[in-house]
Amino acid sequence: QSALTQPASVSGSPGQSITISCTGTSSDVGTDNLVSWYQQHPGKAPKLIIYEVSKRPSGVSNRFSGSKSGKTASLTISGLQAEDEADYHCCSYAGVSTLVFGGGTQLTVL
Amino acid sequence: EVQLVESGGGLVQPGGSLRLSCAASGFTFRNHAMTWVRQTPGKGLEWVSAISASGGSTYYADSVKGRFTFSRDNTKSTLYLQMNSLRAEDTAVYYCAKDLPGYFYYYMDVWGNGTTVTVSS
Repeated sequence: QSALTQPASVSGSPGQSITISCTGTSSDVGTDNLVSWYQQHPGKAPKLIIYEVSKRPSGVSNRFSGSKSGKTASLTISGLQAEDEADYHCCSYAGVSTLVFGGGTQLTVL
Repeated sequence: EVQLVESGGGLVQPGGSLRLSCAASGFTFRNHAMTWVRQTPGKGLEWVSAISASGGSTYYADSVKGRFTFSRDNTKSTLYLQMNSLRAEDTAVYYCAKDLPGYFYYYMDVWGNGTTVTVSS
């Protein structure tokens, strides 16, 4: 159950688009579509923003989108806003009834 | 309002035990799988354990298997995480979370605010 690999940090200016990658193995990200993304502001609990690779829960802005290719999932945030500054965590089913998270990515809005 | 409130965290010596609780309200608790996720200071999230809606099935990360026990009382809408043989690396904020309806424990759509566990002598 090794953690999924995410960049430690990404940054972008307001209005721009950024993409955060999440790389796993053929046993987790590469094996099915059970990939999700969580947004976490400092001192707050995580919030589900993407599930099943690309679906958004009710109430989540359509500026957030997800995709997957092979063993790498991606989260794209378009039209970057100051409020998007947060940590982002990917998560995948890892087989044997377990889940695995990525190490988290800190997004800075310049 | 859907709400999850964790309690029971604190300071415990290595090798000691602690029981966390998570009180749920605002939804039909007995219909939902639930999960514990922890977060070490300044680090990422780590999935710890999950339990089916009935409580009949439980699942654990290798790092806690054999030491932690996840249970629930559907009559009290409460979860319990019994943590034994605690180690320094178990130090973290522990969150309980509710499943996204229809997706078992794969996705968590409501989270508590967490309770802090510190394992230190």
